[in-house]
Amino acid sequence: EVQLAESGGGLVQPGGSLRLSCVASGFTFSSHWMHWIRQAPGKGLVWVARIEKDGRTINYADSVKGRFTISRDNAQNTVYLQMDSVRAEDTAVYYCARVVLGSRNAFDFWGRGTLVTVSS
Amino acid sequence: QSVLTQPPSTSETPGQSVTISCSGSSSNIEKNTVNWFQQFPGTAPNLIIYRNDQRPSGVPDRFSASKSGSSASLAISGLQSEDEADYYCAAWDDTLNAVLFGGGTKLTVL
Repeated sequence: EVQLAESGGGLVQPGGSLRLSCVASGFTFSSHWMHWIRQAPGKGLVWVARIEKDGRTINYADSVKGRFTISRDNAQNTVYLQMDSVRAEDTAVYYCARVVLGSRNAFDFWGRGTLVTVSS
Repeated sequence: QSVLTQPPSTSETPGQSVTISCSGSSSNIEKNTVNWFQQFPGTAPNLIIYRNDQRPSGVPDRFSASKSGSSASLAISGLQSEDEADYYCAAWDDTLNAVLFGGGTKLTVL
């Protein structure tokens, strides 16, 4: 059974840092691009970042470029999101998601999400 | 960065059909495939349509979708109360090198 489990969310002060993790199981992790997607309370889905199977290609949404860093460890079946210089507008539930093989944004499995709250 | 436009809400009675539109541009929908997601309150989204019109296994054939030019649409026939949810379209954008989601459409089954 495919599973994605995010962790690392919590309360962080503006300007602070947080590292999210997403542990995958039930599939060949190294075969799939992985993405982070967020959803602010009561708002819609917003794409954050993606990382290629071997980590060589990475893309970010303009709103997080230069502040967030996506990475992965295929030996640990884990994708990370390092969040630096966080702002109030980064408050959201953060989901990691797997992409269907051969697709760029058909997210067929999602984690349950981890809540990040940026507040002083 | 959300440049896919969806109506914020729509409603219909059980048994009827509804269509949700998703409007984009030449750099996203026109050149790339569209995917659709269903989300219930407090839960993660579920993929219900991929590659413009393909249904993952387990998704009822009451759900269908199409794409024409820079627009796409999701159709739900034989509406049931359990279809009440938020629906999102998504596509890759070649100019932004980013995934774009629509703003979401809240479907109410009256």
